[in-house]
Amino acid sequence: GQNIDQPTEMTATEGAIVQINCTYQTSGFNGLFWYQQHAGEAPTFLSYNVLDGLEEKGRFSSFLSRSKGYSYLLLKELQMKDSASYLCAVIDSNYQLIWGAGTKLIIKP
Amino acid sequence: ETGVTQTPRHLVMGMTNKKSLKCEQHLGHNAMYWYKQSAKKPLELMFVYSLEERVENNSVPSRFSPECPNSSHLFLHLHTLQPEDSALYLCASSLGDRGSGANVLTFGAGSRLTVL
Repeated sequence: GQNIDQPTEMTATEGAIVQINCTYQTSGFNGLFWYQQHAGEAPTFLSYNVLDGLEEKGRFSSFLSRSKGYSYLLLKELQMKDSASYLCAVIDSNYQLIWGAGTKLIIKP
Repeated sequence: ETGVTQTPRHLVMGMTNKKSLKCEQHLGHNAMYWYKQSAKKPLELMFVYSLEERVENNSVPSRFSPECPNSSHLFLHLHTLQPEDSALYLCASSLGDRGSGANVLTFGAGSRLTVL
């Protein structure tokens, strides 16, 4: 079967750095997405990785290792507004999206 | 605002009711989707439409009936639902229906459904 694993919940402090991991076992790989979803709102696109390495976008970075079936989302200089759920999704060999259950990130002052 | 609008945002219905969820996008996207989101579970793809033709139906019970009258509108008709159908129903759209970095999904804020 196909599987995406993410921690269910994480807590971090305002101003700190947090890393949210995503490991996947899928039939093939054609890319990986990260989405952010605030409570009661639409999931919004954060990043897309298809090659190994780190992609940086301001305070957010996303890393991919295809050989390890592993990605992480790194959030720096955390702000209270970063409290949200973070969803990882992999494109499999049939170009279908396989979703993780999401990681709820709680930021404390 | 993401460009994908869903109505109603909240819906409470009995098991014998008939109701519909509506989704609208004016992003020029050709593919539209219905997803079910339950707490602590991955998003479940229900239906995919590409250029108004249904291309995916992931073994969804017949009490859920989709309709796509044009490329900008998508409906989910609900009838004789069960309490376990209570969830957040998300609509999304993308340029094409094939997963890729070029076909990033744009989601609506969802319709929160409670079945009593």
